[in-house]
Amino acid sequence: ETGVTQTPRHLVMGMTNKKSLKCEQHLGHNAMYWYKQSAKKPLELMFVYSLEERVENNSVPSRFSPECPNSSHLFLHLHTLQPEDSALYLCASSQVTGGRVDTQYFGPGTRLTVL
Amino acid sequence: AQSVTQPDIHITVSEGASLELRCNYSYGATPYLFWYVQSPGQGLQLLLKYFSGDTLVQGIKGFEAEFKRSQSSFNLRKPSVHWSDAAEYFCAVGARGDSGYSTLTFGKGTMLLVSP
Repeated sequence: ETGVTQTPRHLVMGMTNKKSLKCEQHLGHNAMYWYKQSAKKPLELMFVYSLEERVENNSVPSRFSPECPNSSHLFLHLHTLQPEDSALYLCASSQVTGGRVDTQYFGPGTRLTVL
Repeated sequence: AQSVTQPDIHITVSEGASLELRCNYSYGATPYLFWYVQSPGQGLQLLLKYFSGDTLVQGIKGFEAEFKRSQSSFNLRKPSVHWSDAAEYFCAVGARGDSGYSTLTFGKGTMLLVSP
């Protein structure tokens, strides 16, 4: 596997279910990100992990719970979601370097549908 | 705070014709600018980026972009469009957070349709 991979690619869940999204990066990066992409809205940054520490949480509801066990893996745990949470969830990674903005590389996304 | 405007929601171009996708940004410091492309059901693929130096940047798939500070623009161009270029294109401006990581602010995207 190369780049950034995400599983599953598609997920349908009921509002009372608990599920998890997985992201793995094979680029040796030290920062990972979760984004939400909804129809007709810009990509929204949800969480940032830098060196395995959560450094940003953009006012995301607690029904979304991220986990970063090591620099290569990132999870998004989902519980009691709402239909408006249906979206494409994208994972990205980058190498944090001093003095400049780093380039983010994206996975293919998980298409989530909440019934 | 930074922002990105992509004024065209949809653009239709004939195959073989030239393409220009517009992007305007708002950012108080030196901008770090990116163009990504997203095919249906896929993630975002980096086309090109501008950090500094030459204002005309070459990317993959024959794309280029020109940074114009005076116009706060970073327009994407391609001299001859292929049917496989049909996709959604996103412009983004990057900034560094307090902990050294970077955040990207994206525009709403421009959907490119290619007609035969």
